Amino acid sequence: DVKVTQSSRYLVKRTGEKVFLECVQDMDHENMFWYRQDPGLGLRLIYFSYDVKMKEKGDIPEGYSVSREKKERFSLILESASTNQTSMYLCASGVLGNTEAFFGQGTRLTVV
Amino acid sequence: GQQLNQSPQSMFIQEGEDVSMNCTSSSIFNTWLWYKQDPGEGPVLLIALYKAGELTSNGRLTAQFGITRKDSFLNISASIPSDVGIYFCAGQDNYGQNFVFGPGTRLSVLP
Repeated sequence: DVKVTQSSRYLVKRTGEKVFLECVQDMDHENMFWYRQDPGLGLRLIYFSYDVKMKEKGDIPEGYSVSREKKERFSLILESASTNQTSMYLCASGVLGNTEAFFGQGTRLTVV
Repeated sequence: GQQLNQSPQSMFIQEGEDVSMNCTSSSIFNTWLWYKQDPGEGPVLLIALYKAGELTSNGRLTAQFGITRKDSFLNISASIPSDVGIYFCAGQDNYGQNFVFGPGTRLSVLP
């Protein structure tokens, strides 16, 4: 079975802190994605990566950056957390050229 | 950017009833995916559709890829309490590796 693991289920951070959300997949997938999920808005793509050290902006990249130093790991970074970044963050991975994405269990981030 | 609409936004049904929900787009997609998200968990893929007109089943679930390639529907037959959750559709076009998600349909099943 494909396994996508996010490092934390729940996080509480203070405004202005630098926040790291980690995601690891064990299926040697080329593609990895970060989404945020908010009520009534569905899943919105923040960043994605189709190879090591490659990254592409999604629909809402502002306030975020990403890092992909190894194929299996894709990190989402909030440079200076703000309260409007309180959300559920979902990581996903998939095979290049394939059309299916497999999700992690999500990280619920609260910024106070 | 591309957007997907899902209807209904939410629904309450009695256990044993059949459920139908759909997803529409202003753009053409080459792939439609249906996901279910249980409370507090990440979405899990239910059905993937790759060809216009395709009808695919997975147990009590049936999904179809619309002929116009701008819509898809998902049916659940004989609903049970564990069907509760949010159902998302997602589409992918020819131009990217990423997916566009709908806002979801929240399903509640009453005993």
